[in-house]
Amino acid sequence: AQRVTQPEKLLSVFKGAPVELKCNYSYSGSPELFWYVQYSRQRLQLLLRHISRESIKGFTADLNKGETSFHLKKPFAQEEDSAMYYCALSAGGSEKLVFGKGTKLTVNP
Amino acid sequence: EPEVTQTPSHQVTQMGQEVILRCVPISNHLYFYWYRQILGQKVEFLVSFYNNEISEKSEIFDDQFSVERPDGSNFTLKIRSTKLEDSAMYFCATLEPLAGYSYEQYFGPGTRLTVT
Repeated sequence: AQRVTQPEKLLSVFKGAPVELKCNYSYSGSPELFWYVQYSRQRLQLLLRHISRESIKGFTADLNKGETSFHLKKPFAQEEDSAMYYCALSAGGSEKLVFGKGTKLTVNP
Repeated sequence: EPEVTQTPSHQVTQMGQEVILRCVPISNHLYFYWYRQILGQKVEFLVSFYNNEISEKSEIFDDQFSVERPDGSNFTLKIRSTKLEDSAMYFCATLEPLAGYSYEQYFGPGTRLTVT
Protein backbone atom coordinates (compact mmCIF):
# COMPACT_ATOMS: atom_id res chain seq x y z
CA ALA A 1 0.00 0.00 0.00
CA GLN A 2 1.11 3.55 -0.66
CA ARG A 3 1.45 5.80 2.35
CA VAL A 4 2.88 9.24 3.07
CA THR A 5 3.83 10.30 6.56
CA GLN A 6 4.48 13.85 7.67
CA PRO A 7 5.44 13.51 11.32
CA GLU A 8 5.09 17.19 12.26
CA LYS A 9 1.61 18.66 12.39
CA LEU A 10 2.96 22.09 13.31
CA LEU A 11 6.35 23.70 12.74
CA SER A 12 7.29 27.16 13.91
CA VAL A 13 10.54 28.96 13.03
CA PHE A 14 11.84 32.50 13.06
CA LYS A 15 12.42 34.50 9.91
CA GLY A 16 15.86 33.79 8.49
CA ALA A 17 16.17 30.40 10.16
CA PRO A 18 16.53 27.19 8.18
CA VAL A 19 13.46 25.06 7.84
CA GLU A 20 12.99 21.38 7.07
CA LEU A 21 9.61 19.76 6.64
CA LYS A 22 9.83 16.00 6.87
CA CYS A 23 8.14 13.52 4.58
CA ASN A 24 8.52 9.76 4.52
CA TYR A 25 6.77 7.39 2.20
CA SER A 26 6.12 3.71 1.84
CA TYR A 27 5.95 2.14 -1.58
CA SER A 28 7.88 -0.82 -2.88
CA GLY A 29 8.55 0.61 -6.35
CA SER A 30 9.63 4.00 -7.68
CA PRO A 31 7.06 6.65 -6.85
CA GLU A 32 6.80 10.18 -8.09
CA LEU A 33 6.95 12.62 -5.17
CA PHE A 34 5.46 16.10 -4.89
CA TRP A 35 5.19 18.94 -2.43
CA TYR A 36 1.97 20.95 -2.53
CA VAL A 37 1.43 24.19 -0.63
CA GLN A 38 -1.76 25.87 0.51
CA TYR A 39 -1.46 29.51 1.56
CA SER A 40 -4.20 31.00 3.71
CA ARG A 41 -7.52 31.17 1.81
CA GLN A 42 -5.91 29.87 -1.37
CA ARG A 43 -6.06 26.61 -3.26
CA LEU A 44 -3.61 23.73 -3.18
CA GLN A 45 -0.81 24.41 -5.62
CA LEU A 46 2.20 22.44 -6.71
CA LEU A 47 5.45 23.62 -5.16
CA LEU A 48 7.93 20.96 -6.26
CA ARG A 49 8.10 17.62 -8.02
CA HIS A 50 11.10 15.38 -7.45
CA ILE A 51 11.50 14.50 -11.11
CA SER A 52 12.32 18.08 -12.09
CA ARG A 53 14.94 18.61 -9.37
CA GLU A 54 14.22 22.32 -9.29
CA SER A 55 14.25 24.99 -6.61
CA ILE A 56 11.06 26.99 -6.20
CA LYS A 57 10.85 30.01 -3.88
CA GLY A 58 14.14 28.86 -2.38
CA PHE A 59 12.76 25.43 -1.46
CA THR A 60 14.43 22.19 -2.49
CA ALA A 61 13.59 18.56 -1.87
CA ASP A 62 15.73 15.51 -2.55
CA LEU A 63 14.35 12.04 -2.95
CA ASN A 64 16.27 9.60 -0.75
CA LYS A 65 15.24 6.12 -1.82
CA GLY A 66 17.32 4.45 0.88
CA GLU A 67 15.52 6.32 3.64
CA THR A 68 12.26 6.60 1.64
CA SER A 69 12.19 10.30 2.38
CA PHE A 70 11.47 13.50 0.47
CA HIS A 71 12.13 16.26 2.97
CA LEU A 72 11.49 19.88 1.99
CA LYS A 73 14.18 22.37 2.90
CA LYS A 74 14.81 26.07 2.77
CA PRO A 75 17.96 27.68 4.18
CA PHE A 76 16.36 31.01 5.19
CA ALA A 77 12.66 31.04 5.93
CA GLN A 78 10.54 34.09 5.09
CA GLU A 79 7.27 35.19 6.69
CA GLU A 80 5.46 34.64 3.38
CA ASP A 81 6.41 30.95 3.58
CA SER A 82 3.82 30.49 6.32
CA ALA A 83 1.35 27.96 4.90
CA MET A 84 0.17 24.38 4.98
CA TYR A 85 2.54 22.01 3.21
CA TYR A 86 1.50 18.61 1.90
CA CYS A 87 3.76 15.86 0.67
CA ALA A 88 2.18 13.54 -1.92
CA LEU A 89 3.09 10.60 -4.07
CA SER A 90 1.77 8.88 -7.12
CA ALA A 91 2.85 5.46 -8.25
CA GLY A 92 2.05 2.27 -10.06
CA GLY A 93 1.05 3.92 -13.31
CA SER A 94 -1.70 5.88 -11.61
CA GLU A 95 -1.67 9.66 -11.47
CA LYS A 96 -3.85 9.78 -8.37
CA LEU A 97 -2.15 11.53 -5.48
CA VAL A 98 -1.72 10.01 -2.04
CA PHE A 99 -1.26 12.80 0.47
CA GLY A 100 0.30 13.11 3.89
CA LYS A 101 -1.62 14.87 6.64
CA GLY A 102 0.24 18.10 6.10
CA THR A 103 2.50 20.34 8.17
CA LYS A 104 1.47 23.85 9.11
CA LEU A 105 4.54 26.06 8.90
CA THR A 106 4.56 29.36 10.74
CA VAL A 107 7.43 31.75 10.20
CA ASN A 108 7.59 34.31 12.96
CA PRO A 109 9.08 37.79 12.48
CA GLU B 1 -3.64 32.01 -15.94
CA PRO B 2 -6.47 29.47 -16.36
CA GLU B 3 -7.86 28.02 -13.14
CA VAL B 4 -10.12 25.20 -12.06
CA THR B 5 -13.35 26.62 -10.64
CA GLN B 6 -15.83 24.95 -8.30
CA THR B 7 -19.38 25.76 -7.28
CA PRO B 8 -20.80 26.23 -4.77
CA SER B 9 -18.11 27.28 -2.34
CA HIS B 10 -20.23 26.06 0.57
CA GLN B 11 -23.18 23.70 0.54
CA VAL B 12 -25.30 22.85 3.55
CA THR B 13 -27.68 19.93 3.19
CA GLN B 14 -29.75 17.64 5.34
CA MET B 15 -28.86 14.00 5.81
CA GLY B 16 -30.42 11.85 3.11
CA GLN B 17 -30.56 14.62 0.52
CA GLU B 18 -28.81 14.52 -2.84
CA VAL B 19 -26.07 17.03 -3.60
CA ILE B 20 -24.25 17.86 -6.81
CA LEU B 21 -20.88 19.54 -6.66
CA ARG B 22 -19.69 21.22 -9.83
CA CYS B 23 -16.26 21.78 -11.30
CA VAL B 24 -15.19 23.57 -14.45
CA PRO B 25 -11.84 22.11 -15.53
CA ILE B 26 -9.10 23.98 -17.34
CA SER B 27 -10.18 23.85 -20.97
CA ASN B 28 -7.47 21.71 -22.56
CA HIS B 29 -7.12 19.24 -19.70
CA LEU B 30 -8.49 15.77 -20.22
CA TYR B 31 -8.02 14.01 -16.88
CA PHE B 32 -10.21 14.95 -13.94
CA TYR B 33 -10.19 14.02 -10.28
CA TRP B 34 -12.20 14.43 -7.11
CA TYR B 35 -10.57 14.43 -3.70
CA ARG B 36 -12.01 15.12 -0.29
CA GLN B 37 -10.62 16.29 3.02
CA ILE B 38 -12.52 15.66 6.22
CA LEU B 39 -11.65 18.31 8.80
CA GLY B 40 -8.31 17.54 10.42
CA GLN B 41 -7.58 14.60 8.14
CA LYS B 42 -5.70 13.87 4.94
CA VAL B 43 -6.71 14.85 1.46
CA GLU B 44 -8.07 11.57 0.05
CA PHE B 45 -8.50 10.47 -3.54
CA LEU B 46 -12.05 9.63 -4.57
CA VAL B 47 -12.14 9.10 -8.33
CA SER B 48 -10.41 9.83 -11.61
CA PHE B 49 -12.20 10.35 -14.91
CA TYR B 50 -10.92 10.26 -18.47
CA ASN B 51 -12.60 10.01 -21.84
CA ASN B 52 -16.05 10.11 -20.27
CA GLU B 53 -15.53 7.20 -17.96
CA ILE B 54 -14.13 6.42 -14.53
CA SER B 55 -10.51 5.31 -14.79
CA GLU B 56 -9.92 4.65 -11.11
CA LYS B 57 -11.87 4.93 -7.87
CA SER B 58 -11.12 4.49 -4.20
CA GLU B 59 -13.03 2.37 -1.71
CA ILE B 60 -14.62 5.56 -0.43
CA PHE B 61 -16.33 6.02 -3.80
CA ASP B 62 -19.22 3.65 -3.24
CA ASP B 63 -22.61 3.41 -4.93
CA GLN B 64 -23.73 6.65 -3.31
CA PHE B 65 -21.25 8.58 -5.44
CA SER B 66 -21.28 9.22 -9.17
CA VAL B 67 -19.44 11.49 -11.57
CA GLU B 68 -20.21 12.75 -15.01
CA ARG B 69 -19.35 15.41 -17.53
CA PRO B 70 -22.80 16.06 -18.93
CA ASP B 71 -22.14 18.97 -21.25
CA GLY B 72 -18.44 18.75 -22.07
CA SER B 73 -17.57 21.52 -19.67
CA ASN B 74 -18.80 20.89 -16.12
CA PHE B 75 -17.47 17.88 -14.25
CA THR B 76 -19.85 16.92 -11.47
CA LEU B 77 -19.76 14.81 -8.33
CA LYS B 78 -23.14 13.60 -7.11
CA ILE B 79 -23.81 12.16 -3.69
CA ARG B 80 -27.19 10.44 -3.80
CA SER B 81 -28.11 10.26 -0.15
CA THR B 82 -25.77 12.26 2.04
CA LYS B 83 -24.58 11.02 5.40
CA LEU B 84 -23.15 13.03 8.28
CA GLU B 85 -19.71 11.56 7.53
CA ASP B 86 -19.79 13.03 4.02
CA SER B 87 -19.16 16.45 5.57
CA ALA B 88 -15.82 17.49 4.12
CA MET B 89 -14.03 19.79 1.72
CA TYR B 90 -14.30 18.40 -1.81
CA PHE B 91 -11.58 19.32 -4.28
CA CYS B 92 -11.69 18.95 -8.03
CA ALA B 93 -8.39 18.64 -9.86
CA THR B 94 -7.40 18.46 -13.50
CA LEU B 95 -4.19 17.15 -14.94
CA GLU B 96 -1.81 18.61 -17.46
CA PRO B 97 0.64 16.13 -18.95
CA LEU B 98 4.16 17.46 -19.13
CA ALA B 99 7.28 16.40 -20.97
CA GLY B 100 9.18 13.41 -19.69
CA TYR B 101 6.13 11.50 -18.44
CA SER B 102 5.60 14.04 -15.70
CA TYR B 103 2.41 15.92 -15.03
CA GLU B 104 0.85 18.48 -12.77
CA GLN B 105 -2.53 18.41 -11.11
CA TYR B 106 -4.29 21.75 -10.76
CA PHE B 107 -6.72 22.03 -7.89
CA GLY B 108 -9.90 23.99 -7.55
CA PRO B 109 -10.64 26.08 -4.45
CA GLY B 110 -12.90 23.38 -3.02
CA THR B 111 -16.53 23.06 -1.97
CA ARG B 112 -17.21 22.78 1.73
CA LEU B 113 -20.08 20.32 2.21
CA THR B 114 -21.84 20.34 5.56
CA VAL B 115 -24.39 17.60 6.21
CA THR B 116 -26.72 18.25 9.14
